[in-house]
Amino acid sequence: EIQLVDSGGGLVQPGGSLRLSCAASGFTFSNYWMTWVRQAPGMGLEWVANINKVGSEKYYLDSVKGRFTISRDSAKNSLYLQMDSLRAEDTAVYFCARLRSTDYGGEYFDYWGHGTLVTVSS
Amino acid sequence: DIVLTQSPGTLSLSPGERATLSCRTSQSVRSSYLAWYQQKPGQAPRLLIYAASSRATGIPDRFSGSGSGTDFTLTISRLEPEDFAVYYCQLYGGSPPNTFGQGTKLEI
Repeated sequence: EIQLVDSGGGLVQPGGSLRLSCAASGFTFSNYWMTWVRQAPGMGLEWVANINKVGSEKYYLDSVKGRFTISRDSAKNSLYLQMDSLRAEDTAVYFCARLRSTDYGGEYFDYWGHGTLVTVSS
Repeated sequence: DIVLTQSPGTLSLSPGERATLSCRTSQSVRSSYLAWYQQKPGQAPRLLIYAASSRATGIPDRFSGSGSGTDFTLTISRLEPEDFAVYYCQLYGGSPPNTFGQGTKLEI
């Protein structure tokens, strides 16, 4: 069974840092791109970052560039999101997800973690 | 940037009825770039449809996707009680590389 387990969320003050983790099991982690998607309270979904199979290509939402870093450790079957200089507007549930590509381009997310809540507040 | 617009914002129907949800893009896009998700309160999104019309693994055949160009549709042929949720379309391409619509809430 494919599972993604998010962890690491919590309450942090503005300007602080937090590191999210996503433990993958049930599939060959190193064969897939991975992603982080967030959802602010009562709001819709927002893509945050992608990482390729080996961690050499990374893409970010403009509003998190320079503050967030996506990474992965295939030996530990784990995905990470290091979040620095956090702002109130980063408050959200953060989901990790497995990224798939279609035959003619296109991307979608076929398996999701349960999410971990990050609250940025003084 | 390509903008996704879902309609209606809220759809009120009864079990057994047919639901038709719309996702429109501000520019013509490849069908392979469009996906649909279902999200229930307190849960992660669940992939329903990818490449506009391909059902994901384990998704019942009452869910179907269609469309091309700028107009895409998710249809639920006969609503079951567990189908009442929020539905999002998602588009690959442009900046940012992945964008979600604002969602359609399907309520009883």
